[in-house]
Amino acid sequence: DADVTQTPRNRITKTGKRIMLECSQTKGHDRMYWYRQDPGLGLRLIYYSFDVKDINKGEISDGYSVSRQAQAKFSLSLESAIPNQTALYFCATSDPSSAAYNEQFFGPGTRLTVL
Amino acid sequence: AQSVTQLDSQVPVFEEAPVELRCNYSSSVSVYLFWYVQYPNQGLQLLLKYLSGSTLVKGINGFEAEFNKSQTSFHLRKPSVHISDTAEYFCAVSVFYNQGGKLIFGQGTELSVKP
Repeated sequence: DADVTQTPRNRITKTGKRIMLECSQTKGHDRMYWYRQDPGLGLRLIYYSFDVKDINKGEISDGYSVSRQAQAKFSLSLESAIPNQTALYFCATSDPSSAAYNEQFFGPGTRLTVL
Repeated sequence: AQSVTQLDSQVPVFEEAPVELRCNYSSSVSVYLFWYVQYPNQGLQLLLKYLSGSTLVKGINGFEAEFNKSQTSFHLRKPSVHISDTAEYFCAVSVFYNQGGKLIFGQGTELSVKP
């Protein structure tokens, strides 16, 4: 079984709809991250959480919100989706004991299309 | 601010030929460097990492990378590629941020191996 799972894997929605992307992990890591991937831009950090009570904005948080429901669950919401949020979204985790290195473990991704 | 530049967005190569994917970073402090690979329709998988010690790092699937501090580079190499190496490759640097760390990714390089 995968250590980091994301649901759904694919989603097509319309402009203005509220969308939630979910991430679950069985690695026991405290730290979780949400990224979006766009062609030619690499991965950009949206939000990150170092523990259940700690939520931080990344470089492109506008238009997104997150919820850390438990150590193992970290959800990303688009309150009112717009077409330029069409992208591939990745969840990742890391272990605080490797904070100096920040090796991250990635989920399979969610492909979101906003029409 | 730290940044990562992957010098080639696409690299086409014939099967069994050698390949080098180039990565340069900017940082005024000690860095930890990573290469991730993304196979089609999959998440990111760690290929190799440089933390300290030997500047030549060996990874999975026959890949290796050399850390060059004076050139601020971390180029990825493989002496003989296979069709199955077709994927997107991301270079990343780990930086300390807000009591923890985060990864800064390059733009990605698409490696296309042709028969």
